[in-house]
Amino acid sequence: QSALTQPPSASGSPGQSVTISCTGTGSDIGGHDYVSWYQHHPGKAPKLLIYEVVKRPSGVPHRFSGSRSGDTASLTVAGLQAEDEADYYCSSYAGRNMDVIFGGGTKLTVL
Amino acid sequence: QVTLRESGPALVKPTQTLTLTCSFSGFSLNTRGMCVTWIRQSPGKALEWLALIDWEDDTYYSTSLKTRLTVSKDTSKDQVVLNMTNMAPADTATYYCARISRFTSGWYAYDFWGRGTLVSVSP
Repeated sequence: QSALTQPPSASGSPGQSVTISCTGTGSDIGGHDYVSWYQHHPGKAPKLLIYEVVKRPSGVPHRFSGSRSGDTASLTVAGLQAEDEADYYCSSYAGRNMDVIFGGGTKLTVL
Repeated sequence: QVTLRESGPALVKPTQTLTLTCSFSGFSLNTRGMCVTWIRQSPGKALEWLALIDWEDDTYYSTSLKTRLTVSKDTSKDQVVLNMTNMAPADTATYYCARISRFTSGWYAYDFWGRGTLVSVSP
């Protein structure tokens, strides 16, 4: 399976909103409700932000939200804060076995 | 508080077998719905899912790597061990273990991760 497609970078000023896209196919993102998003500050453990396309784990701020249209999932970060500067990865069930595929990651810069 | 930590050799030679250990706390792999999974990231590449073991000792492997992988658990030590045979330079990567809590965040989301351990493959 090919990796999901994410833009390599995104940026925004404090207080603004930024949306990161993640494009797959009808066999993964478009075919199952198992899209997740992770935040990774280098050197630290990745953190789950969104699961099953739109759900937020307990403790994740409401300004992180997920959505999907067709074969493309999106993560929106509203009210950007300096600590949001990190790498963001999407993932999806690949449609067979227990295989999960990931995006290449998007580096979010808070200007 | 859930924590996971990966440990193992930083350097292995080609053709050798890699053994990594994931030591965890804050949950039990005897609890229904709990799983531990392994993921890796090679330099400049996307994250890649490798293997999973669940509370019933069922194991699942990446379709592309299943002939080289074995995962096992020792619930008395709260550890999961990953073995990968016939290592090659292309297997140089940061290896992560993570938890799945199926009845909290579903089957395919990893709700807690370790910080990862870098493994280099070189003669």
